[in-house]
Amino acid sequence: EAGVTQFPSHSVIEKGQTVTLRCDPISGHDNLYWYRRVMGKEIKFLLHFVKESKQDESGMPNNRFLAERTGGTYSTLKVQPAELEDSGVYFCASSRGGTVTYNEQFFGPGTRLTVL
Amino acid sequence: AQSVTQLGSHVSVSEGALVLLRCNYSSSVPPYLFWYVQYPNQGLQLLLKYTSAATLVKGINGFEAEFKKSETSFHLTKPSAHMSDAAEYFCAVSDFSGGYNKLIFGAGTRLAVHP
Repeated sequence: EAGVTQFPSHSVIEKGQTVTLRCDPISGHDNLYWYRRVMGKEIKFLLHFVKESKQDESGMPNNRFLAERTGGTYSTLKVQPAELEDSGVYFCASSRGGTVTYNEQFFGPGTRLTVL
Repeated sequence: AQSVTQLGSHVSVSEGALVLLRCNYSSSVPPYLFWYVQYPNQGLQLLLKYTSAATLVKGINGFEAEFKKSETSFHLTKPSAHMSDAAEYFCAVSDFSGGYNKLIFGAGTRLAVHP
């Protein structure tokens, strides 16, 4: 079974540019999460999809960030326009659906974003 | 609000020595607690989890953690460190509310193992 994949692994852009990060969850996983780690700090929750619907986007920093999950499969996270403070590692995680039992989140390797 | 504090951003031990990584949490509801490990250029991997069953939890690679409600702690231990244990370790808490488990992470502890 393939794990969670993220693309690109690294991205270096200039302030003001647009960047789109992609996450492919494990096949069949309804839940998809985005997290971000700013250098040296804790990993912070950004948002959570259940299939194609946004269940919780309380962690999104501002309206420069737009996440989508068309068709309930892969997800994209667009930053437009990028600012210096957006630099960090963006992690994606997925888990099975259902609400009765705890479902382990499986993480991707992350995308390292550097905004110059 | 839930939070996690990991004491020590860097820990260094000798190969064969005890590993102790500290984690304290804050939660207003019975928590679920996790330890994740990140090896270089890889994603986060679940080491172990506490989900209100046994308070002493055993995980992969010889690691274990003990949930102590009175101390609000969930420290990670391994009796004998191996060179391959060098990685960054993250403690996390979740309230598993509504069937969804958003994770709240600590800042991480980087473990170095020297010969």
